[in-house]
This record gives sequence, C-alpha cells and structure tokens, in this order.
Amino acid sequence: NAGVMQNPRHLVRRRGQEARLRCSPMKGHSHVYWYRQLPEEGLKFMVYLQKENIIDESGMPKERFSAEFPKEGPSILRIQQVVRGDSAAYFCASSPSRQGASTDTQYFGPGTRLTVL
Amino acid sequence: AQSVTQLGSHVSVSEGALVLLRCNYSSSVPPYLFWYVQYPNQGLQLLLKYTSAATLVKGINDFEAEFKKSETSFHLTKPSAHMSDAAEYFCAVSEGFGNEKLTFGTGTRLTIIP
Repeated sequence: NAGVMQNPRHLVRRRGQEARLRCSPMKGHSHVYWYRQLPEEGLKFMVYLQKENIIDESGMPKERFSAEFPKEGPSILRIQQVVRGDSAAYFCASSPSRQGASTDTQYFGPGTRLTVL
Repeated sequence: AQSVTQLGSHVSVSEGALVLLRCNYSSSVPPYLFWYVQYPNQGLQLLLKYTSAATLVKGINDFEAEFKKSETSFHLTKPSAHMSDAAEYFCAVSEGFGNEKLTFGTGTRLTIIP
C-alpha cells in the first residue's frame, strides 16, 4: 500500500507565477489535509477536504490560495501570484476517517518545498 | 481553541541517556494527542497517539508518552537514546469527532551526543 504521495517534491517559482501542488492520498483514504511549514516553525493547518467538498478552510489565506479534491484524481493546492513569503514546505496528510468515528491517524506525505525567487 | 507548547526548541542528550521532550496542551474538550517525528527533508512519521484509552501510550522505537490531565501534559520519553533518534519532534492536538485538524507545537530538535 503506497503512502501519501506529493509532487513535485521541489518547486521553484518567480514572484507572480502560479504554483500547483498535488497530493494523492493513501489508497482507501477519502480525507485530505494540507499544512504549511515555514522555516524553523511547526506545521500550520490550512484546509481539510473530503471528495468534492471543502470541510474546513479556516487556515487558508483569504486571497490567492485555493484547494480542491475532485471525485477523480489528486487533491490540488493552488497558489496564485506567488510572493516570497509563500516559500515554505507544504505537507499533505490523509486519513480514512468515517463520519462519527473517532480520530484516525493522519498519514503525511514527504512534502513539497516551494521556493519563490 | 486548542494549542500546544513545547518547552525547549533544542534538546541534547548523550547516547544511552534518557530522552525527555516536553509538551503541554490546551483544549476545550478532551483532547486527542500525538507525537510525530520529522527527519531532515522528510515528512512526518507518527510515533504514538493518545485517544482517551490508556494514559501511558507506547509507540514505535521504544518511545512512550504519558497523558496527565491534571498537568495538561503529554511528555515524550525514551529510556535510552540512540544516534538514529536525532530529528525534530512535534507534539500535536486535535479535538477529534469531526474536527480532526491537528494543531502542532513549534517542535523540539533532538541532538544525540556520541
């Protein structure tokens, strides 16, 4: 059973360009979480999605950032018009949680390291 | 609102010595608590989790943590440090039951002295 996959592992963009980060959850997992880790800091929650639904986006910046998890294919975190402050590691996690069940473990991918020049 | 405080951003211990990494949490509901380890340029790997069962939780690689409600703590310990334990350790809390987003502490970098 393959783990959570993220690509690309490293992404370099110039200011003003768009960044697209992809996350394929573990097989059988229908819940995806995105976290951002700034240099020398812990991870900060961004968004929680289920298939075709955004459940909690309380950690997403109000502008330029969006996320989706379509019925088919990976989850995508999209950053428009990137700025230097967007440089960070972006981690995706997935879980098999069912509605009403207690917390299941979140399994993390290796991350995408975004560098904005 | 929930939060996590990890005391000591850097901890150094000698190989073979006891490892103690501190974590205190704040949560308005009974918490679910986690310890994750991150090796350089890698993702996070779960060490152990507390989900309201036994208060002493055993994890991988001989790590364990004890949930102390009265102290709002969930400290991570290992009896004998190994060189391969050098990494960044993160404590995290969630409220569970439909609100599973994790709130992380700022991390503790563990260095093992040969």
